[in-house]
Amino acid sequence: SQQGEEDPQALSIQEGENATMNCSYKTSINNLQWYRQNSGRGLVHLILIRSNEREKHSGRLRVTLDTSKKSSSLLITASRAADTASYFCATESYGQNFVFGPGTRLSVLP
Amino acid sequence: DADVTQTPRNRITKTGKRIMLECSQTKGHDRMYWYRQDPGLGLQLIYYSFDVKDINKGEISDGYSVSRQAQAKFSLSLESAIPNQTALYFCATSRTGLKFFGPGTRLTVL
Repeated sequence: SQQGEEDPQALSIQEGENATMNCSYKTSINNLQWYRQNSGRGLVHLILIRSNEREKHSGRLRVTLDTSKKSSSLLITASRAADTASYFCATESYGQNFVFGPGTRLSVLP
Repeated sequence: DADVTQTPRNRITKTGKRIMLECSQTKGHDRMYWYRQDPGLGLQLIYYSFDVKDINKGEISDGYSVSRQAQAKFSLSLESAIPNQTALYFCATSRTGLKFFGPGTRLTVL
């Protein structure tokens, strides 16, 4: 069964707005990772957050993790047209392989 | 030069043909993975290898086989391709945690 599930499936915003994507998972994890994929291209890792961390920042990206709710969020601030892509969360658990969610397709309109 | 390369980048073949997709990496990682991605969906793990002598089945290994020829090379074979194997195939490497993906191979089985 799929471990990570992103929400929403698709999101359209105007350039300059913030974009928030959520990820829920089902079992205990070692870490959770967010990846970005431009259309038809390979995935690029954005941020890894460990199970004992609650928040991490990288440039315009902010990731939170709530292990009690088994959920994570990715916030992209001041979005740009170049942020248009699909965003995936993936969870890594002890004794279990890396599991990707179906992704959120983000469209940033100029 | 790219750290993870895949060949071919695109391939169209017919049902019943044998196909090999190749992956090479210069990152010196022990762990290598093959994923498939269907349109609008996340990645599903086909096979993974933690070192040259270690090969493991993933979620959807039926109809596929792999060979880890060296630390840097991990090949995926479709012994007798079928149309529902039409997908985007990604190779990835990791040491621990974050994965580094190749650019993908778009395979079409007619």
